[in-house]
Amino acid sequence: GAVVSQHPSRVICKSGTSVKIECRSLDFQATTMFWYRQFPKKSLMLMATSNEGSKATYEQGVEKDKFLINHASLTLSTLTVTSAHPEDSSFYICSASEEVWGNQPQHFGDGTRLSIL
Amino acid sequence: AQSVAQPEDQVNVAEGNPLTVKCTYSVSGNPYLFWYVQYPNRGLQFLLKYITGDNLVKGSYGFEAEFNKSQTSFHLKKPSALVSDSALYFCAVRDIGSGGYQKVTFGTGTKLQVIP
Repeated sequence: GAVVSQHPSRVICKSGTSVKIECRSLDFQATTMFWYRQFPKKSLMLMATSNEGSKATYEQGVEKDKFLINHASLTLSTLTVTSAHPEDSSFYICSASEEVWGNQPQHFGDGTRLSIL
Repeated sequence: AQSVAQPEDQVNVAEGNPLTVKCTYSVSGNPYLFWYVQYPNRGLQFLLKYITGDNLVKGSYGFEAEFNKSQTSFHLKKPSALVSDSALYFCAVRDIGSGGYQKVTFGTGTKLQVIP
């Protein structure tokens, strides 16, 4: 149980393109979804937290106009990287939780490798 | 803010030997601690958690972790390492985000290499 599907797994596109990444909880209702960015051989950097039906809460230093997050339902959240540039190339990972208190583990998608040429 | 530290970038262990991946924590109040594992080009998988109760926590794939309050540590252990255990391991702690909600803060990760 507790499967999170993240799509696409890999994207290669030209600079200036906008890219949308989807994160779906397949067998549970995700009250809270998280978006992370991971640099090579580095830890996960939390970008934002989204709760269904409300605006995402962004971490300090993350541009909300650059990284648009939508959590329209209890099973789907999307991250759109707008006008992507080479410095946005990274491994993006989503996770989901059935609750908001942080007592339960997060369930992670398999990540999206974004490469901007 | 709560934090965890993983002092070792990499740990090498021979197959069949016991393994330990170290984690220390810094929290105010009671710690809520987690261990996750990441295989190449994959997301993270939950291994185990400590909230309250027994200091020795048993988790998935034969892993366990010992909560030590006096040493503020939460080391991950396994009695006999397998080559398939080779992966990146993250210690994590429940924290409070900028919006006042709960979030998880991850350590820097430790690469475990099990040598056949």
